[in-house]
Amino acid sequence: AQTVTQSQPEMSVQEAETVTLSCTYDTSESNYYLFWYKQPPSRQMILVIRQEAYKQQNATENRFSVNFQKAAKSFSLKISDSQLGDTAMYFCAFMKRLFGNEKLTFGTGTRLTIIP
Amino acid sequence: EAQVTQNPRYLITVTGKKLTVTCSQNMNHEYMSWYRQDPGLGLRQIYYSMNVEVTDKGDVPEGYKVSRKEKRNFPLILESPSPNQTSLYFCASSFPGGPKNTGELFFGEGSRLTVL
Repeated sequence: AQTVTQSQPEMSVQEAETVTLSCTYDTSESNYYLFWYKQPPSRQMILVIRQEAYKQQNATENRFSVNFQKAAKSFSLKISDSQLGDTAMYFCAFMKRLFGNEKLTFGTGTRLTIIP
Repeated sequence: EAQVTQNPRYLITVTGKKLTVTCSQNMNHEYMSWYRQDPGLGLRQIYYSMNVEVTDKGDVPEGYKVSRKEKRNFPLILESPSPNQTSLYFCASSFPGGPKNTGELFFGEGSRLTVL
């Protein structure tokens, strides 16, 4: 079974600063996806960024980037030039890449607050 | 607009009163799934369905039922709700495997259920 660990329950940072959210996972699979989802106060689950395990290059989406360390089973999210709208709960998630149950295994989340 | 629609968004009910949370998607996805979100636990999978008439248990299926009579609909049924089923529920859908698969799950907006 897979596990995902987010060791930072809460974080806060000043607007315009850079913040890094940590995530580690445990799996015996070699082919999988990793995700970061954002959940603002509206409760909607919003996909922030996706990484395929076979790709060595770290994924980037505008101000969001990841540091994917496959051997260390680490998948951190960096938010640059943080904005007030980034205030949300962030979940790291794992999915095995196969035809079958597309189950996401989630971490417990990090509540990020951007301070004006 | 491509979307996953859940109803109701909010519900307060009493122990033992059967209820159904509906989920409908308009993206012709074969795969659908239900999750519950609880503080400190992240999201956990309840049930999933690979296609019409094909359903299976996730990690926390006790106290829930599902059905998949049509491709677009995947209702979650609580036959006799109990207070420990008070939670935030999400429906999600995707294309499983194959060339269309990107690993991304499309989530509904969530249903907040309170059982007194």
